[in-house]
Amino acid sequence: KQEVTQIPAALSVPEGENLVLNCSFTDSAIYNLQWFRQDPGKGLTSLLLIQSSQREQTSGRLNASLDKSSGRSTLYIAASQPGDSATYLCAAMFSGGYNKLIFGAGTRLAVHP
Amino acid sequence: KAGVTQTPRYLIKTRGQQVTLSCSPISGHRSVSWYQQTPGQGLQFLFEYFSETQRNKGNFPGRFSGRQFSNSRSEMNVSTLELGDSALYLCASSDPYGLNSWGYTFGSGTRLTVV
Repeated sequence: KQEVTQIPAALSVPEGENLVLNCSFTDSAIYNLQWFRQDPGKGLTSLLLIQSSQREQTSGRLNASLDKSSGRSTLYIAASQPGDSATYLCAAMFSGGYNKLIFGAGTRLAVHP
Repeated sequence: KAGVTQTPRYLIKTRGQQVTLSCSPISGHRSVSWYQQTPGQGLQFLFEYFSETQRNKGNFPGRFSGRQFSNSRSEMNVSTLELGDSALYLCASSDPYGLNSWGYTFGSGTRLTVV
């Protein structure tokens, strides 16, 4: 069964800290992996998309990596700010399921001043 | 470039009623997917449409259905509503053949409350 797991479920850090969010998946036959941000009661905002042929993607203070052999992806947030507080979700599209995302349960991040 | 538009934003319905939700994808995106988000189950895939054809369906009862029109706009319908159908319903569009192949853009969602 194809599954996506995110650890930790919740994280609270002081402003300015660099942090890593983890995402693991059970099937190495992954087509792509996408990281999203969700604010309370809102939809999903796409942060980074990593295709299976790529190792990492960067956008501003965010960097996401993909290691298919170990079934892991990490989202690195540099110099965290209170505005980064949200739930972060990773979602995998597996080969053979090109039109379906499988989501992790998310990591709820709180950055306090 | 306009994003994914979902209407309505909020709905309150009574058990046994039916509901129709609407989604307008990003211009040029022909793939539209629907997801249900609940506190207990997280985000779960409902179905995906491409050029008016349903290509994939999640593990939901037949009360959940959808369709896509020639302009790529999509609707999903839930009949005989149950309390457990209360959720945030999210629509996403994607361009499989574009630069960001199968990168998804989500709408703001429709919050359905069944009473």
